[in-house]
Amino acid sequence: AQRVTQPEKLLSVFKGAPVELKCNYSYSGSPELFWYVQYSRQRLQLLLRHISRESIKGFTADLNKGETSFHLKKPFAQEEDSAMYYCALSPTGFQKLVFGTGTRLLVSP
Amino acid sequence: DAGVTQSPTHLIKTRGQQVTLRCSPISGHKSVSWYQQVLGQGPQFIFQYYEKEERGRGNFPDRFSARQFPNYSSELNVNALLLGDSALYLCASSWGGSGANVLTFGAGSRLTVL
Repeated sequence: AQRVTQPEKLLSVFKGAPVELKCNYSYSGSPELFWYVQYSRQRLQLLLRHISRESIKGFTADLNKGETSFHLKKPFAQEEDSAMYYCALSPTGFQKLVFGTGTRLLVSP
Repeated sequence: DAGVTQSPTHLIKTRGQQVTLRCSPISGHKSVSWYQQVLGQGPQFIFQYYEKEERGRGNFPDRFSARQFPNYSSELNVNALLLGDSALYLCASSWGGSGANVLTFGAGSRLTVL
C-alpha cells in the first residue's frame, strides 16, 4: 500500500524558531518524494523534491530510507512561511501523487 | 501564461445530477491529472491523461470519468452525484507523462452537492 502520514495537523512556532514538519511514507519500492505548499488564497505549488537535493526558501528535506521519512526543516521560521504543507510521494514509473493530510504551519511574530 | 485554468470555479448541484468540470493546461503541457480534495484532507488522485490516453486511474467509482481533447484540455465528469462528492476538484498539468515531471496545479473547482 502507498501511504503518506503527516502526524501534525497544526504546528505553531514563533518567528526565528526552528521548524520541522514530519512526513513518513509507506511504499515497497523507491518513490519520488515531494513537499507541496499552499499559501493563503494561492494555488498548491511545489516547494521541493528529494531528487533535486536543493534548498528552497530556506527549507530542506532529507530522505531517510531506513526510517521511511522525508521531514521538512527550516532553521529560522519567518512569518511568510505560514501556510499548509503537504508531503507527497509518486510511485516508481507513475505520475500520480499520493498526498498526506497536510500540516498547517503558523509562524507568530 | 495564465497557468492551469479550471472552470467553473464554484458550482452547486443536487444529489443524482451530473457535473462536468473543465481544465486547460499550460501551453505545451501534454499531461493532465485530476485530484479530489475533501475538506481537511490532502488531494486524492482520480485520473491522469497523457497524449489523450488514460495513463492512470485512482480508486474512484465508475461514476467518475474523464477525457482529454486534441488540444490537451480535459473534462472530468461525475454522474449520479452523492453528498460525499462535495469537494474541491483540482486539475494539474505537466509537460510529460512520467513521474519525473513536475505538476502545476490549477485553482480548482469547488463542487457542493445538496
